[in-house]
Amino acid sequence: EVELVESGGDWVQPGRSLRLSCAASGFTFDDYAMHWVRQAPGKGLEWVSGINWNGGKMGYAASVKGRFTISRDNAKNSLYLQMNSLRGEDTALYYCTKGPPWNELMYKWSDPWGQGTLVTVAS
Amino acid sequence: QSALTQPASVSGSPGQSITISCTGTSSDVNGYNYVSWYQQHPGKAPKLIISDVTNRPSGVSNRFSGSKSGNTASLTISGLQAEDEADYYCSSYTSSDSRVFGGGTKLTVL
Repeated sequence: EVELVESGGDWVQPGRSLRLSCAASGFTFDDYAMHWVRQAPGKGLEWVSGINWNGGKMGYAASVKGRFTISRDNAKNSLYLQMNSLRGEDTALYYCTKGPPWNELMYKWSDPWGQGTLVTVAS
Repeated sequence: QSALTQPASVSGSPGQSITISCTGTSSDVNGYNYVSWYQQHPGKAPKLIISDVTNRPSGVSNRFSGSKSGNTASLTISGLQAEDEADYYCSSYTSSDSRVFGGGTKLTVL
């Protein structure tokens, strides 16, 4: 069974940094793209970032480009999101999601999703 | 990249069919057959119910179906059941080589 477990969420002051992690199990991690999707309290889903199977291609939403960096360690079956210069509008539940396999467009869909890790940016 | 447009809410009675629309542009929905739909129950993680406009993943009820015409994709739920009450989101690949979600639609089963 596929399992995605996020960690690293915390309360942090504006301008500070935070690193999220996602531990994956139950599938061949390095065969699949991975994504981060966030959901602000009471709001809808927002795609944040994605990375292809071997880490050679990354994509970012305009709202986080230049501040967030996605990465993966296939040897550790782990996905990461380095978040710098955090703002109040980054406050959200951050989901780690599995994307399509290596031979398909990495942005097509996300399934399954972890339970999320909460990031709160406030002074 | 602007969010795709979905109605804020739809409702239907048990046994009825409802359709949720997802409107984009030629740069996303109309440009590619990469629209997906997600179901999210309160306090739960989203679940993929439709991929590539019309494909239903294994285990998803055949009461869920997807379609697309021009700039608008649609999710139809037939034989509405109480357990279908949830939030539904569409998503599309975009010409910016990224993804965009719709604002979400709250489905109420009367």
